[in-house]
Amino acid sequence: DAGVIQSPRHEVTEMGQEVTLRCKPISGHNSLFWYRQTMMRGLELLIYFNNNVPIDDSGMPEDRFSAKMPNASFSTLKIQPSEPRDSAVYFCASSFRGEADTQYFGPGTRLTVL
Amino acid sequence: AQSVTQPDIHITVSEGASLELRCNYSYGATPYLFWYVQSPGQGLQLLLKYFSGDTLVQGIKGFEAEFKRSQSSFNLRKPSVHWSDAAEYFCAVGTYSGAGSYQLTFGKGTKLSVIP
Repeated sequence: DAGVIQSPRHEVTEMGQEVTLRCKPISGHNSLFWYRQTMMRGLELLIYFNNNVPIDDSGMPEDRFSAKMPNASFSTLKIQPSEPRDSAVYFCASSFRGEADTQYFGPGTRLTVL
Repeated sequence: AQSVTQPDIHITVSEGASLELRCNYSYGATPYLFWYVQSPGQGLQLLLKYFSGDTLVQGIKGFEAEFKRSQSSFNLRKPSVHWSDAAEYFCAVGTYSGAGSYQLTFGKGTKLSVIP
C-alpha cells in the first residue's frame, strides 16, 4: 500500500515566484494535514482538511499561502509570491478518523526560496 | 492550550546502551500520545501511540513508552540502542477542541546520536 505521496521532493525558486506543492493522501483516509518544519519553529500545523473541507487554517502564516483539496485524493499548498523566509520542509500527512487520528506523513518537500 | 516539552535537545549514547527520551505534556484531560522518528531527509514515521488501556505500549523497532498520568509524561525507551536508531525523535499529543477540531501538537524534538 502506497503511503502519502508528495511532489516535488525539492524545489528551488526565486523570491516572488509562485510555488505549488502537491500531496496525495493514503487511499481511504479522510483527513489531510499540511505542516511546515524549520529549525527555529519546529513542526507547525498550517491547515487541515476533513472530507475535503478546510477545518482549521489558523496556522497559515499569511494571505500568500493558500491550500485546496478538490477531491479526496489530491491537495495543493500554494505560495504566491514566495519569500526567502518561506524556505522550509513542508510535510503532508493523512489520517482516518475512527483510528483515533493517527497521522501518516509523506516524505516532505524541501523548499528553498532565493 | 496543550503543549509538549522534550527537555533534551540532543542525546548521545553508546551502541548497546539503554535509552530513555523524555516527554512531558500539558493538557487538561488524557490526550492521545504519539512518538515519531525522523531520519535525515525523511518524513516522520510513527513508532507507537497511546490512546487508552495499558499504560505501557510497545512499538516498532523495539521501542516502548510508558504513560504516567501523575507526571504528565510519556517517555520513550529502548533497552539496547543500535547505530541505525540515530535520528530525531518527536513526541506529540493529539487533542480535540470543543468544536471538534483536531490538533496534533509536536515537541521540539530530541536528536539521538549513537557512538560505536
